[in-house]
Amino acid sequence: EVQLVESGGGLVQPGGSLRLSCAASGFTFSDHYMDWVRQAPGKGLEWVGRTRDKANSYTTEYAASVKGRFTISRDDSKNSLYLQMNSLKTEDTAVYYCARVNKYCSDGTCYYPFDIWGQGTMVTVSS
Amino acid sequence: QSVLTQPPSVSGAPGQRVTISCTGSSSNIGAGFDVHWYQQLPRTAPKLLIYGNSYRPSGVPDRFSGSKSGTSASLAITGLQAEDEADYYCQAYDNSLSAWVFGGGTKLTVL
Repeated sequence: EVQLVESGGGLVQPGGSLRLSCAASGFTFSDHYMDWVRQAPGKGLEWVGRTRDKANSYTTEYAASVKGRFTISRDDSKNSLYLQMNSLKTEDTAVYYCARVNKYCSDGTCYYPFDIWGQGTMVTVSS
Repeated sequence: QSVLTQPPSVSGAPGQRVTISCTGSSSNIGAGFDVHWYQQLPRTAPKLLIYGNSYRPSGVPDRFSGSKSGTSASLAITGLQAEDEADYYCQAYDNSLSAWVFGGGTKLTVL
């Protein structure tokens, strides 16, 4: 079964740090770009960042709201994705999802949606 | 304020047809970037519903369809069922933000 399972969420004080993990199974993890998406309580989805695959030098991109504070990494040997969150703010409180980017081709054109999502892990930043 | 604008809510009776709009700009949908749609049932993770503006992944009923024109996209749901009650999100890439952006989400209520 294709699956993503996040862990590492919890309560942290403003200014603190937290590291989230996402364990992948059921597919060749190393072949895929992987993203983090978050959802504040009662709010919509917000893209956090992306890590590309080895063929693309594991390059990363981040949303402006987290750039310089969050770092995405991956360990293909462990089929795992990570999100290191530093200098946390109250507005970072959210459920954090990891998501797989997959290639879908139709009528000669290819697209790259997020096709598999984890169940999410809750991060609460509060004093 | 989301970069992609969706109505906060829509509703319809079982069996009816509803549409959800997603309005962007020249830096995202209007720039030619493709739109994907996700369904989020209560207390669950999002699920891919439509990719590439109008294509359904395997397993998604053909009651769901998508379209794109200019700076907007739409999701249509025909033959509404109680199980369709969920939040729906559109997504595209924005080249002025250099980021993937989501609409604010639309809550579908089946009356």
